[in-house]
Parts: sequence; structure tokens; C-alpha cells
Amino acid sequence: QKEVEQNSGPLSVPEGAIASLNCTYSDRGSQSFFWYRQYSGKSPELIMFIYSNGDKEDGRFTAQLNKASQYVSLLIRDSQPSDSATYLCAVNISLGNEKLTFGTGTRLTIIP
Amino acid sequence: EPEVTQTPSHQVTQMGQEVILRCVPISNHLYFYWYRQILGQKVEFLVSFYNNEISEKSEIFDDQFSVERPDGSNFTLKIRSTKLEDSAMYFCASSVAGGMQETQYFGPGTRLLVL
Repeated sequence: QKEVEQNSGPLSVPEGAIASLNCTYSDRGSQSFFWYRQYSGKSPELIMFIYSNGDKEDGRFTAQLNKASQYVSLLIRDSQPSDSATYLCAVNISLGNEKLTFGTGTRLTIIP
Repeated sequence: EPEVTQTPSHQVTQMGQEVILRCVPISNHLYFYWYRQILGQKVEFLVSFYNNEISEKSEIFDDQFSVERPDGSNFTLKIRSTKLEDSAMYFCASSVAGGMQETQYFGPGTRLLVL
């Protein structure tokens, strides 16, 4: 079974601190990794994607990928109350395949 | 900024009835998808569609489900005979192209409640 695992949380982080969200995946052939943010009752909204090992930064967000460890993470710097949401890790698992496999999401709460 | 749109936002139906959920993908996108999310659960892939054909479907997408691109803008999901367990949020998504590195953009969803 090809799975994407996330800690469901809730993860509580003080405003201004760094939030660290983690995701592991079971299929070693996975190629593309996406982080989506989902507010309650709303649709997934893309935050960023990463394809290569290492770090990728976009504003306050940094995605980190380690294919050897089958691990991808999202760091949110200077956390704001508006960052409070569920963060979904999604993986595109195999070649010639467009479907995204999602984790259950991590619920993040930023405490003012 | 272009967006995926979906109608209706909410749909209530009786078990056994047919429902059609509608989506308008982003205009220059060629690949279309349906996902669903049962309350409190993960987002699950249903089907992908390209060039007027299903390119991939999940085990959830059984004979009760069908998809269609009836014109140049709409993309629909039909559930022929709804069951209680079909109650979920249904998301349409689209991408410019297929392939593993293409970003999928999601619509706001249709919340379906089967009674």
C-alpha cells in the first residue's frame, strides 16, 4: 500500500516562532511533493512543491526533501495566526501517473 | 487570477438519486481531476481526464461514477445512484499538463449530503 503519513496534530506554535511539519512516504519511486494548506470547510490551496533533494524557500515557507529517508517537511517562519490551518502533504507517486496521494494532514494552531 | 469554479456549492439528495456535480477548470488547462474528502478524512483521488478520456481512476470510481466534458468549458462528475457513503466534499482540480511535476489547482468544492 502506497501511503503518505503525517502526524495529525494538533501542533500548537506561538506567534512568531517556526512551525515544522513533517511527512513521510512509503514509495521510494515518488518524484513530486506538494504542500497544500486547507482551512476548515475549504479546498486545498497550494503552498509550494519540491522535486529535488534539499531545501526550497518561498517567502516564509521552506520545503525540505530527503529522498533517501523518504521524508519531506515544511517550515513556516515567523508564524502568524492566519497560518492556523490543516497542512496536507501530497505525493505524486509514479511515472506516467497524475494522481496525488494525500496524507491525513497536520492541524496547526498559531497561538497569539 | 484564474480559478477553478464548481457548482453547486452544496447539494442534498436522497439515496438512490442521481447527482451531477459541475466544474469549470482554468481555461488553458488540459488535465482535469476529481477528488473527494469524507468529513474528517484525507483527500482521495477519484479520476483524471485528458483529451476526452479517463486517463486514470481509483478503485472508488466504480460503475456508479462517470465523468464528461460536455462542452469546451465544463467538466462534470455524475453519480448515478447515490449511497449514504457518497456524502463528502467533492473537489475538482485542473493542471496545465499531465505528469508528475504539474501543479493541480483545486476548486472550492461541492458538499454532497446523501440522506
